[in-house]
Amino acid sequence: NAGVMQNPRHLVRRRGQEARLRCSPMKGHSHVYWYRQLPEEGLKFMVYLQKENIIDESGMPKERFSAEFPKEGPSILRIQQVVRGDSAAYFCASSPRVLGTSTGELFFGEGSRLTVL
Amino acid sequence: DAKTTQPNSMESNEEEPVHLPCNHSTISGTDYIHWYRQLPSQGPEYVIHGLTSNVNNRMASLAIAEDRKSSTLILHRATLRDAAVYYCILQGAQKLVFGQGTRLTINP
Repeated sequence: NAGVMQNPRHLVRRRGQEARLRCSPMKGHSHVYWYRQLPEEGLKFMVYLQKENIIDESGMPKERFSAEFPKEGPSILRIQQVVRGDSAAYFCASSPRVLGTSTGELFFGEGSRLTVL
Repeated sequence: DAKTTQPNSMESNEEEPVHLPCNHSTISGTDYIHWYRQLPSQGPEYVIHGLTSNVNNRMASLAIAEDRKSSTLILHRATLRDAAVYYCILQGAQKLVFGQGTRLTINP
């Protein structure tokens, strides 16, 4: 069973371009989380999605950022008109069920490292 | 989300036990205590979690105080591969909110 797959692993964009980061959850996992990690900082929650639904986007910047998890295919984190401050590692995690009660394990991918020139 | 407090860094020697503390004085009765670790240039990795009772697995042990206001992650015999940032997280809602964690250095 393959783990959480993220691509690209490294992405370089110029200011003003768009960045698309993809995440394929583990087989059978319908819950996806995106986190951002700035250099030398901890992970910041961005968004939690289930298939075709955004459940919690309280950590998403109000502008330029969007996320989706379609019925078929990977989850996509899209950043429009990137700025230098968007340079970070973006991690995706998946889970087979809702976090809560006795469960709680998230499986993380290796991350996508975005560099904005 | 309830907060956790961890030391910024700790250091230990190879093959010795390591006790990583975490304070969570505002924990609620239904919050699970989770530990994840992040090795350099990798995504976080689940270590262990518990609610009230102490927990053991192949990676570590989790000792939870009786009042649940603190917990300790125990690595019984540290190796160089255990060098990582360790995060203590309280999970109440449907997400995990990471703090700054403890950077653990293992000396050979």
